[in-house]
Amino acid sequence: DAGITQSPRYKITETGRQVTLMCHQTWSHSYMFWYRQDLGHGLRLIYYSAAADITDKGEVPDGYVVSRSKTENFPLTLESATRSQTSVYFCASSTSGGYNEQFFGPGTRLTVL
Amino acid sequence: GEDVEQSLFLSVREGDSSVINCTYTDSSSTYLYWYKQEPGAGLQLLTYIFSNMDMKQDQRLTVLLNKKDKHLSLRIADTQTGDSAIYFCAESPDNNNDMRFGAGTRLTVKP
Repeated sequence: DAGITQSPRYKITETGRQVTLMCHQTWSHSYMFWYRQDLGHGLRLIYYSAAADITDKGEVPDGYVVSRSKTENFPLTLESATRSQTSVYFCASSTSGGYNEQFFGPGTRLTVL
Repeated sequence: GEDVEQSLFLSVREGDSSVINCTYTDSSSTYLYWYKQEPGAGLQLLTYIFSNMDMKQDQRLTVLLNKKDKHLSLRIADTQTGDSAIYFCAESPDNNNDMRFGAGTRLTVKP
């Protein structure tokens, strides 16, 4: 299917485990983003990528790792999950340029017990 | 998201107008956006306004921008139950890596 997809949609894990959230887009957008959404905080940027093999930190990068070996994929890894990382995670993509509408995936609800 | 502020809740009757307000802090922001999030879904762009504009109208939506006060508002005319959602204000300078979102305003439309 065309668009931006995330998997899994729901994940429950335990403290200390490694978890990888997947994001895939079919538009060949240059930019991709990972956000977390928490009550009262809106969306906070974790990491972003301007192109394959180019990534940079956002506002809240600690505890997360990203990679982008292919333009269409942007996985987010929690190396050792903590309860504070319980959140809803959104992936987004956009083309470059001044008018930067971001297209969002449906989100992954992650619970860390 | 703390640089962009919105009230968290708004409740209106079906058919009334809704006005969602937002204040932002970065005077260099080039674009300001309104996104809508329906339950269980990601955000979708509703409308945006370029910083050299004061107003933008798109069908039932009217966006007003007061640059002096760094205030952005979204007016929804003839609000319908299908408009119930969370509305996010966002600001961005002229690049793709620095979009800042407010905490979102949950709009409830009562029949």
